[in-house]
Amino acid sequence: GAGVSQSPRYKVAKRGQDVALRCDPISGHVSLFWYQQALGQGPEFLTYFQNEAQLDKSGLPSDRFFAERPEGSVSTLKIQRTQQEDSAVYLCASSLVGAGGNQPQHFGDGTRLSIL
Amino acid sequence: GESVGLHLPTLSVQEGDNSIINCAYSNSASDYFIWYKQESGKGPQFIIDIRSNMDKRQGQRVTVLLNKTVKHLSLQIAATQPGDSAVYFCAERPSYDKVIFGPGTSLSVIP
Repeated sequence: GAGVSQSPRYKVAKRGQDVALRCDPISGHVSLFWYQQALGQGPEFLTYFQNEAQLDKSGLPSDRFFAERPEGSVSTLKIQRTQQEDSAVYLCASSLVGAGGNQPQHFGDGTRLSIL
Repeated sequence: GESVGLHLPTLSVQEGDNSIINCAYSNSASDYFIWYKQESGKGPQFIIDIRSNMDKRQGQRVTVLLNKTVKHLSLQIAATQPGDSAVYFCAERPSYDKVIFGPGTSLSVIP
């Protein structure tokens, strides 16, 4: 399809394991965002890429969280040594970069991560 | 810190009636606001946006109103349908690289 694609849709891991979540943005979108959404809450910003450059990672909760977008398209969010509090839905969004930056972000359906 | 919040966590409306979802924001630097709809198991879906130099914007069955004086945002849905049942988030964008979401309002449409 033409939308943002995320995989896997569901991921179950044991505490302490590393996980990797993938995002395929809309073709031609240079901006890519990761959000974390806890149950019953609004999404919270994690990090932002413009092409392959990670311009803002102020929302990453700890140094266990790492994101990359090496070729400016697909992005991976990696969480090392997972903890139970990492359980959440991880959303990816992409947008065109327009004048003034006022372009809506288009979201994928997320990866639901459960840490046992 | 600064945040966007909603007055009503839940809203039930009769099918065919108009719905109004309200939102208060506190970041005076924000110049762009967005409403998203999120259905269960799905990502947020863009509904409508508005820039701070406007006070009203209309889409298909939806209208967003912005009152900068009292930092208030609202989403009006005309002739609410069962397919409108979802959680609605208002969001502000204080800079182009970040969106701050409110806690959400759950809209339930009664057939």
